[in-house]
Amino acid sequence: TQLLEQSPQFLSIQEGENLTVYCNSSSVFSSLQWYRQEPGEGPVLLVTVVTGGEVKKLKRLTFQFGDARKDSSLHITAAQPGDTGLYLCAADTTDSWGKLQFGAGTQVVVTP
Amino acid sequence: DVKVTQSSRYLVKRTGEKVFLECVQDMDHENMFWYRQDPGLGLRLIYFSYDVKMKEKGDIPEGYSVSREKKERFSLILESASTNQTSMYLCASSYPSGYSGTTNTGELFFGEGSRLTVL
Repeated sequence: TQLLEQSPQFLSIQEGENLTVYCNSSSVFSSLQWYRQEPGEGPVLLVTVVTGGEVKKLKRLTFQFGDARKDSSLHITAAQPGDTGLYLCAADTTDSWGKLQFGAGTQVVVTP
Repeated sequence: DVKVTQSSRYLVKRTGEKVFLECVQDMDHENMFWYRQDPGLGLRLIYFSYDVKMKEKGDIPEGYSVSREKKERFSLILESASTNQTSMYLCASSYPSGYSGTTNTGELFFGEGSRLTVL
């Protein structure tokens, strides 16, 4: 059983459409990170959210951390082909040393 | 530019062979990690190290060992490769964590991955 459940697993949309990816857990986290992984590359950090209810924007990407710090969402407005990739959420475990637990990821494909 | 370099992008090995996957980072990070990535399962932590010669088991350490003789280098070893170890292996590093009992929001810097096929 995954500590972090991501949905949907796969999303295929046309350029210009909007999309939302979800990351849910029954555990409370002090922070949560979103990464994007492109084919043949390692994941790259997009954002870290720390405060319950926090909203962060990165150009057309909007990230939200749930009030209870158990869930998060990533919303992309007017998606572009360059947004294609595997989106992963990750959260720090309750112990130290910076270990992160990852969700299974959402594969996003944006076609022109 | 910060960089995590994995020695091999693609490897094909036979069952029973010993496999070494090497990872080098140039950011003077204390923490280094090895994950494996499989479709539908995300990234699963194999081992991590928070200092030279220190190592801790992750969630799936069985069949693997690690070595950290120098701060910049973290090696993953498969003593006797098996077909169920066919996977993408990702190395990562990060800045030091907080003290025990506190949390860490440190960014992970990943290498490009090593795709291992065991026949």
